[in-house]
Amino acid sequence: AQKVTQAQTEISVVEKEDVTLDCVYETRDTTYYLFWYKQPPSGELVFLIRRNSFDEQNEISGRYSWNFQKSTSSFNFTITASQVVDSAVYFCALSEGGGSTLGRLYFGRGTQLTVWP
Amino acid sequence: DVKVTQSSRYLVKRTGEKVFLECVQDMDHENMFWYRQDPGLGLRLIYFSYDVKMKEKGDIPEGYSVSREKKERFSLILESASTNQTSMYLCASGQGTRNTEAFFGQGTRLTVV
Repeated sequence: AQKVTQAQTEISVVEKEDVTLDCVYETRDTTYYLFWYKQPPSGELVFLIRRNSFDEQNEISGRYSWNFQKSTSSFNFTITASQVVDSAVYFCALSEGGGSTLGRLYFGRGTQLTVWP
Repeated sequence: DVKVTQSSRYLVKRTGEKVFLECVQDMDHENMFWYRQDPGLGLRLIYFSYDVKMKEKGDIPEGYSVSREKKERFSLILESASTNQTSMYLCASGQGTRNTEAFFGQGTRLTVV
């Protein structure tokens, strides 16, 4: 079973629209971490944010914001006033467990965001 | 600036060839990972290593092997390349803790003909 589900395969918006990328995760651990990465057309994954399971405060960074809700096992990502440069594949990831698997990330399948001018 | 460097950006190999993909990190990280990325399937973990000479199978290890003789270098080996191994391969490194992000290389697009 998928530990991280990104139900939206592709999203298209027009510049200046707000867009939310959904992420639902599954874990039995009480301590875990969630991440978002961006993969622009150049191919290299870029880290955006990390959130631990004990911190449900929403976070805002410029036009980006993240909404973490343990009750629904979701960690959604919103881009406000989208721009063409936001076009990329976005991945949500989960880190849990211990022993030799400590530090392993489980990725969702990604959401391709296209922002049209 | 932290760096994960993959030896090739693009590679074309013939079916049956032995293929080596190299990855080097300069952050003294314990963990290193090899993923493959295919459209609609996201990133799937092939192998990872949490220490020199240590390795763990990921979700799709069949047809691959790895080598980690030095902490900074993690190699992915395709013993006998097949066309279904045509893919984008991504290397990553990270500290051996849950709370740290992984850093990725630029990827190697491998085509097996």
